[in-house]
Amino acid sequence: DGGITQSPKYLFRKEGQNVTLSCEQNLNHDAMYWYRQDPGQGLRLIYYSQIVNDFQKGDIAEGYSVSREKKESFPLTVTSAQKNPTAFYLCASSGVGTFDGYTFGSGTRLTVV
Amino acid sequence: SQQGEEDPQALSIQEGENATMNCSYKTSINNLQWYRQNSGRGLVHLILIRSNEREKHSGRLRVTLDTSKKSSSLLITASRAADTASYFCATESGSNYQLIWGAGTKLIIKP
Repeated sequence: DGGITQSPKYLFRKEGQNVTLSCEQNLNHDAMYWYRQDPGQGLRLIYYSQIVNDFQKGDIAEGYSVSREKKESFPLTVTSAQKNPTAFYLCASSGVGTFDGYTFGSGTRLTVV
Repeated sequence: SQQGEEDPQALSIQEGENATMNCSYKTSINNLQWYRQNSGRGLVHLILIRSNEREKHSGRLRVTLDTSKKSSSLLITASRAADTASYFCATESGSNYQLIWGAGTKLIIKP
């Protein structure tokens, strides 16, 4: 079955640590996105990529980094520079030629301990 | 950036009743979409309505779009307990397929 897989489902980070969230899709989608969702809130865009080896900052990119070395993969690193990283992180993908909406992963809940 | 605003923020109804949620936006759009999010899960795409369409149906869902008022509504008929979720509208305006999201309506269906 085609879809997006995010891992891990839960992640705990110590102060000062970098952590990487995985996002893999087998939908052959060109575009991929990372969002942050805080409790009771909507989605805020962190980074997006429309093509391999290219990505753009979203509204809240500070303290985060991404790479897009393969079409299928778009990992997000939460760096120690992100002062309030506790949140629910969602990865999504979409086709570019025919736009039928986004397909989302099931999310990663990151908690700072 | 937040373009859409859903109304109401929360809605609680009895099972079997109809649920209506509204979304308003600020700029011209190519299309508007509705998504559902169950608690602690990813979002699921429900329906997309293009700017030249006025109404669209999918099963128990009915979406309307009024571009003159920059607003959309999502109607869920004959609600079920499984419809309990948060519902988000999102608009696509440019050529880069980015969506701009509202803050969502939390729907609770009481058995």
